Amino acid sequence: NAGVTQTPKFQVLKTGQSMTLQCAQDMNHEYMSWYRQDPGMGLRLIHYSVGAGITDQGEVPNGYNVSRSTTEDFPLRLLSAAPSQTSVYFCASRAFLEYTEAFFGQGTRLTVV
Amino acid sequence: KQEVTQIPAALSVPEGENLVLNCSFTDSAIYNLQWFRQDPGKGLTSLLLIQSSQREQTSGRLNASLDKSSGRSTLYIAASQPGDSATYLCAVRHRIRNTNAGKSTFGDGTTLTVKP
Repeated sequence: NAGVTQTPKFQVLKTGQSMTLQCAQDMNHEYMSWYRQDPGMGLRLIHYSVGAGITDQGEVPNGYNVSRSTTEDFPLRLLSAAPSQTSVYFCASRAFLEYTEAFFGQGTRLTVV
Repeated sequence: KQEVTQIPAALSVPEGENLVLNCSFTDSAIYNLQWFRQDPGKGLTSLLLIQSSQREQTSGRLNASLDKSSGRSTLYIAASQPGDSATYLCAVRHRIRNTNAGKSTFGDGTTLTVKP
C-alpha cells in the first residue's frame, strides 16, 4: 500500500550544489506534479507531467528541471541550489481524468545554506 | 485567476464540539474540490473529494458541502477529538484558461486545535 513515495525526507545542501528529489507512485497514475510549500504562500506548482515523456511548467519552475521516462517515476532536479529554494517539497499523483482524487507523498524538507 | 481563501487561519475548540471550516473560491468553473488534512511535518492526506455536480460528501464524522454558485465549501467535523488537531486545506481543481489542462489551487489552510 505504498501510494506516493518521496526520498529523501530531509536534505541540507550548500548553495550551488545540485541534487535530485525522487518521487515514485505505484497506482499507475498518468498525472504527476511537484509542489513547494512555504509559510504564508501555500502550495505552489513547480512542474507537472500528464504522462511518460510529457512535462510542463507550473507557477514557479525556475531553477528546477523534471523528466518523466516512466509512468512510475517523476524526479525533480535542482540545478544549482539557492537559499530561496529552502522549502518543503511535495510530489502528488492522480489518474488523468480531472474528476479524480489527488494523492500526496510525505514530503522532502530541503534546507539550502 | 482562481483564488482560494480559508478563514479563519486558526481555530481552537474544546473536545466534543461540532465545528465548521470554511473555504471560498472566486471562479465557480471548477472540476471538483478536495479537502486535505496535514499533520505537522507530514504530507497531505485526502479527506473528501466533491465533484462539481455534487452538493456534499460524507466520511465518518466528516461532511463536506459545496455551493458552486456562491463559491463556497464547508467541512463539518462532528464531535471533535484531540486527534483531529491538524491543518485542513482545501484545493479547487479547475481549468487553466485557454487550455484543456487542469490545475489545483490551494487555500492556506485552517489550523485546528482540539483541547482535551
